[in-house]
Amino acid sequence: DIQMTQSPSSLSASVGDRVTITCRASQTIDNYLNWYQQKPGKAPKLLIYAASRLQSGVPSRFSGSGSGTAFTLTISSLQPEDFATYYCQQSYSPPLTFGGGTRVDFK
Amino acid sequence: QVQLVESGGGVVQPGRSLRLSCAASGFTFSRYGMHWLRQAPGKGLEWVAAMSYDGSNKDYIESVKGRFTISRDNSKNTLYLQMNSLRAEDTAVYYCAKVGGSWTGYVDYWGQGTLVTVSS
Repeated sequence: DIQMTQSPSSLSASVGDRVTITCRASQTIDNYLNWYQQKPGKAPKLLIYAASRLQSGVPSRFSGSGSGTAFTLTISSLQPEDFATYYCQQSYSPPLTFGGGTRVDFK
Repeated sequence: QVQLVESGGGVVQPGRSLRLSCAASGFTFSRYGMHWLRQAPGKGLEWVAAMSYDGSNKDYIESVKGRFTISRDNSKNTLYLQMNSLRAEDTAVYYCAKVGGSWTGYVDYWGQGTLVTVSS
């Protein structure tokens, strides 16, 4: 199975901050990397698919980059509604595996 | 708009069975692959099973192979997850999800989830 490792596991930030979350795969996954946002008690929401493609309706302050084994999710200017947990997921090959999550909370 | 509504969760004893359903609307169900995913209390996300648009392909996480069965009825726009021989470690919120790309690809819409608790 492909292991996905996210870092950091949590971070504290302020509104307006630039936030970067890293995801690494245990083997190459080309660009089959997706990012989801989850708020407490809610279902996850797709932000980015295929490493860098912004899902329809997602604000442009979210961006993704990377290929192969190293990927990043960047929030250019953190907004109050962005405090949540973020997960990366590989869809290169089953079983489709997720990173452990990165919790973003108020500094 | 896309809607996915899960049902069938509840409290069940270890070793018993449960069937989850997911009613889909707002898109042409028969054209898309579908997934089941789960999240144990306070834990991260875990993919459970996937099925192609026509049911000809399916796959499972190793820990549920031989116990869980994913199926679909395209005439009823409904996805199912039959869960047998349930274990305590199967306790989780189960999400039904629509695939955006290939049948094992990314998920673009999720249901609200249904809680399955396996406990004696």
